[in-house]
Amino acid sequence: TQLLEQSPQFLSIQEGENLTVYCNSSSVFSSLQWYRQEPGEGPVLLVTVVTGGEVKKLKRLTFQFGDARKDSSLHITAAQPGDTGLYLCAGIGGGADGLTFGKGTHLIIQP
Amino acid sequence: DTEVTQTPKHLVMGMTNKKSLKCEQHMGHRAMYWYKQKAKKPPELMFVYSYEKLSINESVPSRFSPECPNSSLLNLHLHALQPEDSALYLCASSQALQLEFGETQYFGPGTRLLVL
Repeated sequence: TQLLEQSPQFLSIQEGENLTVYCNSSSVFSSLQWYRQEPGEGPVLLVTVVTGGEVKKLKRLTFQFGDARKDSSLHITAAQPGDTGLYLCAGIGGGADGLTFGKGTHLIIQP
Repeated sequence: DTEVTQTPKHLVMGMTNKKSLKCEQHMGHRAMYWYKQKAKKPPELMFVYSYEKLSINESVPSRFSPECPNSSLLNLHLHALQPEDSALYLCASSQALQLEFGETQYFGPGTRLLVL
């Protein structure tokens, strides 16, 4: 069974602080995606990382795929209240059907 | 157009009712998915259609019956549901079933289902 361990599960910080969310697995994925989901809405794709060691930046968000393609991280710089939401990592490939989701990180940015 | 639409947005039904959830995409995608998401949990895959054929059924109870009438539409027929089936039901689509090398799934906004 494919498993993606995501941490922390909950995170509440002040506006302007930096944070990092981690997504780890013992399995190798061909690629990994990060989503952000607002309550009552579907997940919205933020980024797909494909190559081991790849780093992608999306404004204040930096995504990294581990060299062995088993782990990934999301770093947010100078967090804003608008960053509040559920962040999900999802692995692709490795023999699983569809996407394998992590349990998600509930992020709250307090003004 | 990268939109997946779902109707209705909210649905309340009794345990003896029959209802259907609808999903539509016009991106020419040939793979479509149903996920179930309980509160504060990640989405769980239910069904996958590829080229309008059911490819994956993740051991979902028969009270959930999917249907893919054409390449743009995906339905989920509901009958004799239980209160524990209350959840957000998400539809997604992708260019093809193979999600290797970063194939993107696009999610709809979901249908919030409450079974009384």
